[in-house]
Amino acid sequence: AQTVTQSQPEMSVQEAETVTLSCTYDTSESDYYLFWYKQPPSRQMILVIRQEAYKQQNATENRFSVNFQKAAKSFSLKISDSQLGDAAMYFCAYRSLWVGTYKYIFGTGTRLKVLA
Amino acid sequence: NAGVTQTPKFQVLKTGQSMTLQCAQDMNHEYMSWYRQDPGMGLRLIHYSVGAGITDQGEVPNGYNVSRSTTEDFPLRLLSAAPSQTSVYFCASSLQYSSGNTIYFGEGSWLTVV
Repeated sequence: AQTVTQSQPEMSVQEAETVTLSCTYDTSESDYYLFWYKQPPSRQMILVIRQEAYKQQNATENRFSVNFQKAAKSFSLKISDSQLGDAAMYFCAYRSLWVGTYKYIFGTGTRLKVLA
Repeated sequence: NAGVTQTPKFQVLKTGQSMTLQCAQDMNHEYMSWYRQDPGMGLRLIHYSVGAGITDQGEVPNGYNVSRSTTEDFPLRLLSAAPSQTSVYFCASSLQYSSGNTIYFGEGSWLTVV
């Protein structure tokens, strides 16, 4: 079974600084998707960025970028120029592409605090 | 476009009572799922479905039943509520066969079992 591990329950970053959130996963599959989701206090889940496993190039969305290391099964999220609005819970997620499953597995989350 | 709609938003149950959390989506998504979110545990998959008539268990299925009679609806039933089922429940859906599709979440249902 696939697992997703986020080893940092909480992180803090100074406004305008850069922070990296860690995520590792375990799978025997070769093709899959990885995601980072943001959950602000409203509890709404917001997609931050996604990565296809077959693509070697790291995904980037404005201030958000990932470091995808397939062999190491690592998928970290870098937030540059941190803003107060970035404060939230961040979840790493894995999506299986096996026919008949396609299920999403989430990590336990990292709470990010942004200090003014 | 309503997206994923969950009802009720808040519910208090007594131990042993049964109830159904409703979930509906209007995006013609094949994949639907239920998660529970507990402090320090993240989002744990309860049950999921890849199409009408097809359901499967996730990580924590005990105490919950689901059915998928239509593409739009995926209700979650608590058969005999226990205090351990106090949690926030999220319904989520996604296109199954399109590559890279993200998962869309409902707004959550806060359930307290006393």
